[in-house]
Amino acid sequence: DIQMTQSPFSLSASVGDRVTITCRSSQNIYTFLNWYQHKPGKAPKLLIHGAFNLETGVPSRFSGSGSGEEFSLTISSLQPGDFATYYCQQSYSTPKTFGQGTNVEIK
Amino acid sequence: EVQLVESGGGLVQPGRSLRLSCTASGFTFGDYALTWVRQAPGQGLEWVGFIRSKAYGGPTDYAASVKGRFTISRDDSTGVAYLQMDSLRTEDTALYYCTREYDSSGYYYDFWGQGTLVTVSS
Repeated sequence: DIQMTQSPFSLSASVGDRVTITCRSSQNIYTFLNWYQHKPGKAPKLLIHGAFNLETGVPSRFSGSGSGEEFSLTISSLQPGDFATYYCQQSYSTPKTFGQGTNVEIK
Repeated sequence: EVQLVESGGGLVQPGRSLRLSCTASGFTFGDYALTWVRQAPGQGLEWVGFIRSKAYGGPTDYAASVKGRFTISRDDSTGVAYLQMDSLRTEDTALYYCTREYDSSGYYYDFWGQGTLVTVSS
């Protein structure tokens, strides 16, 4: 199984900050990498697919990059609604594993 | 409007069975793979398993933690996917989500249900 490792596990940031979350896979997954935002009591929401493709309707302050084994999600200017847990997920092979999540908290 | 609605969750004793349903609407159900994802209390998201569309032969695959105990099926005539959970364990306690897998330059979950809670406890 492919292991996905996110860092940091959690972070505290202020509105307006630039935030970057890193995701590493245990083997080459090319660009089969997705990012989701999850808020308590809500369904997870797709942000980025294929490593860098912004899902329709997602604000452009979210961006994804990377390929192979290292990826990142960047929020260019953190907004109040962005405080949530973020997950990466590989879709290269089953089981389509998720990272452990990164909790973005208000500083 | 695409909608996925899970149902069937509840409290069940260890070793017993439960069947979850995922009722879909707003899209051609038979054209898509369906995946079940769960979140145990205080934990992250865990991929449980999926079923491909009939066009791909409708195969299924499962996480090691549930293989041999869980079975996913689908009824394209009614737009419902099922997760049959047998020999339940306390560690299966979680919120179970149904998702639609979209295939375009990769695979991703573009729509999710709100989840149904399964509690395994004596």
